[in-house]
Amino acid sequence: KNEVEQSPQNLTAQEGEFITINCSYSVGISALHWLQQHPGGGIVSLFMLSSGKKKHGRLIATINIQEKHSSLHITASHPRDSAVYICAVSSWNRDDKIIFGKGTRLHILP
Amino acid sequence: NAGVTQTPKFRVLKTGQSMTLLCAQDMNHEYMYWYRQDPGMGLRLIHYSVGEGTTAKGEVPDGYNVSRLKKQNFLLGLESAAPSQTSVYFCASSYSIVRGTGGTGELFFGEGSRLTVL
Repeated sequence: KNEVEQSPQNLTAQEGEFITINCSYSVGISALHWLQQHPGGGIVSLFMLSSGKKKHGRLIATINIQEKHSSLHITASHPRDSAVYICAVSSWNRDDKIIFGKGTRLHILP
Repeated sequence: NAGVTQTPKFRVLKTGQSMTLLCAQDMNHEYMYWYRQDPGMGLRLIHYSVGEGTTAKGEVPDGYNVSRLKKQNFLLGLESAAPSQTSVYFCASSYSIVRGTGGTGELFFGEGSRLTVL
């Protein structure tokens, strides 16, 4: 079993829909990262959080440390949100290494 | 402020050739990482460094070597390239919140280097 699991693996939605991507992890963490990668593009950090909730524009990230679960929400989705979203954790029992999920491929239809 | 810069961005090699990928960051970050990204596999850690002069192995270190002689640069070398090393390579850096506790800061990635080994 992977230490960082994302769901769904693939998601297609209509423009304007509310999107939720989930991330569950099984290790102790000091921080959780949400990353975005557009097709053929580089990787950009969206959020780093260790508790509670953060919001940037239409993106919201939440984390529940007790349940070892995080969600990334996109409100009023747009075709430009189409990308792979990657969850990663900084694990205090993995010698400073970062553990990545396999990503969720999101496709927003106009 | 360039952030994280990788060179070269594209390279085609023949089996057995050697090459070096350069990663440079101008944010004074302590931590630097080299990952490879393959379809369906996600990002896998090759080697990493928690400071100048230090390196450590990641998940998939075989066939690669690294050096961190200067804090701002992290080099990834392939001594004898193999077709299995065809991949997209990403460098990343972060500052350390609390060293030794996995407390890395925000991750900054380079744009990637696409390597093809024939």
